[in-house]
Amino acid sequence: EIVLTQSPGTLSLSPGERATLSCRASQSVTSNYLDWFQQKPGQAPRLLIYDASSRATGIPDRFSGSGSGTDFTLTISRLEPEDFAVYYCHQYGSSPWTFGQGTKVEIK
Amino acid sequence: QVQLVESGGGLVKPGGSLRLSCAASGFTFSDYYMSWIRQAPGKGLEWVSDISSGGKTIDYADSVKGRFTISRDNGKNSLYLQMNSLRAEDTAVYYCARGRTILVPWGQGTLVTVSS
Repeated sequence: EIVLTQSPGTLSLSPGERATLSCRASQSVTSNYLDWFQQKPGQAPRLLIYDASSRATGIPDRFSGSGSGTDFTLTISRLEPEDFAVYYCHQYGSSPWTFGQGTKVEIK
Repeated sequence: QVQLVESGGGLVKPGGSLRLSCAASGFTFSDYYMSWIRQAPGKGLEWVSDISSGGKTIDYADSVKGRFTISRDNGKNSLYLQMNSLRAEDTAVYYCARGRTILVPWGQGTLVTVSS
């Protein structure tokens, strides 16, 4: 199975700053079938980005995804207070689908 | 609007059984693959199982294969997860989600605790 490794584990930033989250796959993700979820405490995950770089419906354009093959990035251009949360990458190119362990974006 | 509501979680002893349900509304349930994903307390996400729109194609994570059974009733717009031979490591919030690959939306989850 494909192992997804996210880094860093925790990102401490201030509102207005740029956040760059990394997701590295143990092998190439077929067709770049990778997405990103945001999860806040006590809530279900919310889809942000699918197919590596396509924004899901209703997601602000400060969120962007990039990458291909084994290296993927989620960028939040300017952090808003509501963006402090845990972010997970997820690959659906090869069964079994797998998730990264998460990156927590916390207020500095 | 599209809504998924899970139910059926609770406290169960090791070796016991539990059946989770997921009630869907706001979309044509019979048109979509459905999935179960779980999250152990304080941990990350783990895909558990998925089922095709008509129920004929089913897949499971190795960790639950042979113990869990996914099913659906398109007439009742409902998804199910029958969990048998439960273990402590099955303790988690169980989410249902619409889709097989692109998972949106998710329900709010139901907590399953396996403990003596």
